[in-house]
Amino acid sequence: KNQVEQSPQSLIILEGKNCTLQCNYTVSPFSNLRWYKQDTGRGPVSLTIMTFSENTKSNGRYTATLDADTKQSSLHITASQLSDSASYICVVSQRSNDYKLSFGAGTTVTVRA
Amino acid sequence: DGGITQSPKYLFRKEGQNVTLSCEQNLNHDAMYWYRQDPGQGLRLIYYSQIVNDFQKGDIAEGYSVSREKKESFPLTVTSAQKNPTAFYLCASSQGVGTGDFFGPGTRLTVL
Repeated sequence: KNQVEQSPQSLIILEGKNCTLQCNYTVSPFSNLRWYKQDTGRGPVSLTIMTFSENTKSNGRYTATLDADTKQSSLHITASQLSDSASYICVVSQRSNDYKLSFGAGTTVTVRA
Repeated sequence: DGGITQSPKYLFRKEGQNVTLSCEQNLNHDAMYWYRQDPGQGLRLIYYSQIVNDFQKGDIAEGYSVSREKKESFPLTVTSAQKNPTAFYLCASSQGVGTGDFFGPGTRLTVL
């Protein structure tokens, strides 16, 4: 069964600090991995999408890494802001079956002043 | 929210009633999807449609129905057969497979 596991489940950080979220997956064959940000009560918004050949991708203060060999990804948030408080969801798609996405349960980040 | 609208934002339903959730997109995307989100769980696929007049069941289609008569619209009906319908429902669309999904703002359905 294709699975996506995210850790930690939640974390609290002080404004201005950095943090790293983890995503491990078992989806095979792999097509791409996406990170989404979801504010409370809103739909997810795409942050990054990475294919097999990409191991780093940035979007402003968000940097995602991918190790396709170990099937691990991380999302690093630099100099956190209060607006970074949200749930971050890791999503993996399967090659030749791309309509079928495997979603992680998300990591809830709370940034405090 | 990326050219996808969902209505209503909040919906209350009595047990035994069918309700229809609206999803409209102006992105000219061929593929559209319905997901259900429950606390502490990843999104689960209910139905998806890759072209007009065609749709496929996802992982949890029981108790739901959809139609795709127009490219822009993909309404979801939650029927009385769905035993636990209280959830947050998200509609999404994509240009093509593997290109990334755009999500709507969601509809929160509560069964009274």
